[in-house]
Amino acid sequence: DTGVSQDPRHKITKRGQNVTFRCDPISEHNRLYWYRQTLGQGPEFLTYFQNEAQLEKSRLLSDRFSAERPKGSFSTLEIQRTEQGDSAMYLCASSLPPDTQYFGPGTRLTVL
Amino acid sequence: GESVGLHLPTLSVQEGDNSIINCAYSNSASDYFIWYKQESGKGPQFIIDIRSNMDKRQGQRVTVLLNKTVKHLSLQIAATQPGDSAVYFCAENNAGGTSYGKLTFGQGTILTVHP
Repeated sequence: DTGVSQDPRHKITKRGQNVTFRCDPISEHNRLYWYRQTLGQGPEFLTYFQNEAQLEKSRLLSDRFSAERPKGSFSTLEIQRTEQGDSAMYLCASSLPPDTQYFGPGTRLTVL
Repeated sequence: GESVGLHLPTLSVQEGDNSIINCAYSNSASDYFIWYKQESGKGPQFIIDIRSNMDKRQGQRVTVLLNKTVKHLSLQIAATQPGDSAVYFCAENNAGGTSYGKLTFGQGTILTVHP
């Protein structure tokens, strides 16, 4: 499968713990995006990278959130001191500009 | 502000019927529009896209229509099948001097196809 992959698919954590998600984009895609989706809503943009540079961040990305793409390939999204409001599906997408963003299967986070 | 919304949150059709899903957008500067299909527990799947210099684009069993005058987008699915049952999202992108990075999604329409 040469699509976007995400790991883990599901994560259950206790409030206050840190979590990290990984995204592997389609190999030739130089842009990588993170979105968050809550039940019944469309995905909301969080941030995106072009190669290793983080070019845009949403106001949704509080200081507890950090994203990296150190080598311009895979990316990680870390949430520190998780809160119940962080429970959501975290989606990763990649593209080769100016083409379409292709999404991965998502990581479903549940904060207890 | 920027927003993309859907007129109908749910749509039920019989197998074989044609389906039309509508979307309104408010940002007149938007120049790229995409329809995604999302099945339960999965990520959004690309269906079809259209740029603002076009008013119609066809794919396999799907057609997207763009009316910039009234800022309206629609997705037509021909001969709808049970496998088409999913949530459908429209998304828009405003490249206009900023970036292609940020897609703004609507709330979604639940399509249910009855056999």
